[in-house]
Amino acid sequence: AQRVTQPEKLLSVFKGAPVELKCNYSYSGSPELFWYVQYSRQRLQLLLRHISRESIKGFTADLNKGETSFHLKKPFAQEEDSAMYYCALKNRGSQGNLIFGKGTKLSVKP
Amino acid sequence: ETGVTQSPTHLIKTRGQQVTLRCSSQSGHNTVSWYQQALGQGPQFIFQYYREEENGRGNFPPRFSGLQFPNYSSELNVNALELDDSALYLCASSYRTSGSYEQYFGPGTRLTVT
Repeated sequence: AQRVTQPEKLLSVFKGAPVELKCNYSYSGSPELFWYVQYSRQRLQLLLRHISRESIKGFTADLNKGETSFHLKKPFAQEEDSAMYYCALKNRGSQGNLIFGKGTKLSVKP
Repeated sequence: ETGVTQSPTHLIKTRGQQVTLRCSSQSGHNTVSWYQQALGQGPQFIFQYYREEENGRGNFPPRFSGLQFPNYSSELNVNALELDDSALYLCASSYRTSGSYEQYFGPGTRLTVT
């Protein structure tokens, strides 16, 4: 079965501390994975996707097929990073629809 | 460029009633997907429309139905509402090509069933 697991409901760090938001997936074959973010009172938006291998707002995520993980990392957290983060997996054989994890709320304290 | 819009923002319905939610896709997009997000959960795929036809469906009963119009806008209809249908309903549009299917989300419609 295709599944995305985000084990932490809430992650609280201090400004300047490193951040790692965990995401594990279940998928046979080559997955296509994404991180979406939702800031307070804003809509869900794409943060990054693994195929782009990009860094957005200082965040990176590396696909580890051996550990079936796609953790989101940032070396120095900022207060404006506080938001809800969702890991998502493109559904096999679909035209782009996504399977989401339950999300992790990141709180960055001053 | 206009983003994805949804209406209404909020609504309250009674169990057993029917509801229609509306979505206008982002300019240039030809595919619309609907998701249900229950409290404390991630969005769950309901179905997708492309060229006015359903093009994939998640694990939702037939009382969840939809339409896509020639201008690519879309409706989600839910019949015989149940208390568990209370959720945020998200619409996402994308441009279907052979490559990326990046989805752009609307702000959502908050449905409360009493």
